Amino acid sequence: DIQMTQSPSSLSASVGDRVTITCRASQGISNYLAWFQQKPGKAPKSLIYAASSLQSGVPSRFSGSGSGTDFTLTINNLQPEDFATYYCQQYNSYPLTFGGGTKVEIK
Amino acid sequence: EVQLVESGGGLIQPGGSLRLSCAASGFTVSSSYMSWVRQAPGKGLEWVSIIYSGGSAFYADSVKGRFNIYRDNSKSTLFLQMNSLRAEDTAVYYCARDRYFGYWGQGTLVTVFS
Repeated sequence: DIQMTQSPSSLSASVGDRVTITCRASQGISNYLAWFQQKPGKAPKSLIYAASSLQSGVPSRFSGSGSGTDFTLTINNLQPEDFATYYCQQYNSYPLTFGGGTKVEIK
Repeated sequence: EVQLVESGGGLIQPGGSLRLSCAASGFTVSSSYMSWVRQAPGKGLEWVSIIYSGGSAFYADSVKGRFNIYRDNSKSTLFLQMNSLRAEDTAVYYCARDRYFGYWGQGTLVTVFS
């Protein structure tokens, strides 16, 4: 199974900050990497697929990069509605696996 | 507009069975990858199962042999038949489209208790 390791597990940031979340795969997954945002009590929301493709309707302050084993999600100009938990997910092979999540909190 | 609406969750005793449904609209279920993903209370996301457009299916080891994913194309509905339920199956179950889960339903809660 491919293990997905996210870091940090949590972070504190202020409105307007730039935030970077890292996701590392235990083996190469090409660009089969997706990112999600989840708010308490809500379903996850797709942000990024194919490592860097923005899902329709997602603000352009979100961006993704990487290939192989190392990936990043960057949020520029952090907005109040961006405080949430973020997950990465690989879809290169089965079982499909998620990272443990990164909680972005208000500083 | 793509919409996914789950139903069928509830309280069930260990060893029992439950069938979840996911009503889809705004796209063609028969030509899409459709998955179930679950989230135990206070925990992260766990993929459960996927069905391909051609009907092939894959399962997480934790549910293999107990859960069955299938769909009714005429009703644009995805199902998850869950048998031999265990306490550790307690979770919110989401249906999602695509292998990268581009669209999600709102989820349905399954609670397995003794």
